[in-house]
Amino acid sequence: GAGVSQSPRYKVAKRGQDVALRCDPISGHVSLFWYQQALGQGPEFLTYFQNEAQLDKSGLPSDRFFAERPEGSVSTLKIQRTQQEDSAVYLCASSLAGGGANIQYFGAGTRLSVL
Amino acid sequence: KNEVEQSPQNLTAQEGEFITINCSYSVGISALHWLQQHPGGGIVSLFMLSSGKKKHGRLIATINIQEKHSSLHITASHPRDSAVYICAVLGGSQGNLIFGKGTKLSVKP
Repeated sequence: GAGVSQSPRYKVAKRGQDVALRCDPISGHVSLFWYQQALGQGPEFLTYFQNEAQLDKSGLPSDRFFAERPEGSVSTLKIQRTQQEDSAVYLCASSLAGGGANIQYFGAGTRLSVL
Repeated sequence: KNEVEQSPQNLTAQEGEFITINCSYSVGISALHWLQQHPGGGIVSLFMLSSGKKKHGRLIATINIQEKHSSLHITASHPRDSAVYICAVLGGSQGNLIFGKGTKLSVKP
């Protein structure tokens, strides 16, 4: 595709429900990042993949958050037993090369609201 | 203390004004990014720079590595420039970014 695609764009979940957020990076991009953006704040790093390998998951706020990229392209961020504090926009970004200083291309994000 | 701080937090300007947004950071970096975020969430990378100055159209970004400071300038501002402008630095060798909180710019006609 032409850019990074995320789905769904909006998700409303009841507290305790599990959700899965999808990211389709730009074809051929090695690196994939997930960020969480709370209302009125800048994004914060969650996790990073280089191809299918999850090289950094230090930003995941709890063990309820899980991300995968099994074939090195599409990635899924799963949140189990959602809590109200999980309400945020979840952004996915990809870049052509691994590591270092590369332009990151962002998706439009998934806005998650936990009621 | 946040690792990346931006000022001002909010900025209102009249069309045609010259605009400056500042970014200071406390970590050692290899590159700094300026990004633009429109309502609805879409983020676009404007610049990535590690030294000196870059220009693209009406946008100019500068960085002073010694002072750990960067500025984004917009010349002849236009209402379509209204957006949140975010400064971000590399958080590690993997490439993950540490973001500032953003500067909300509103340009009035």
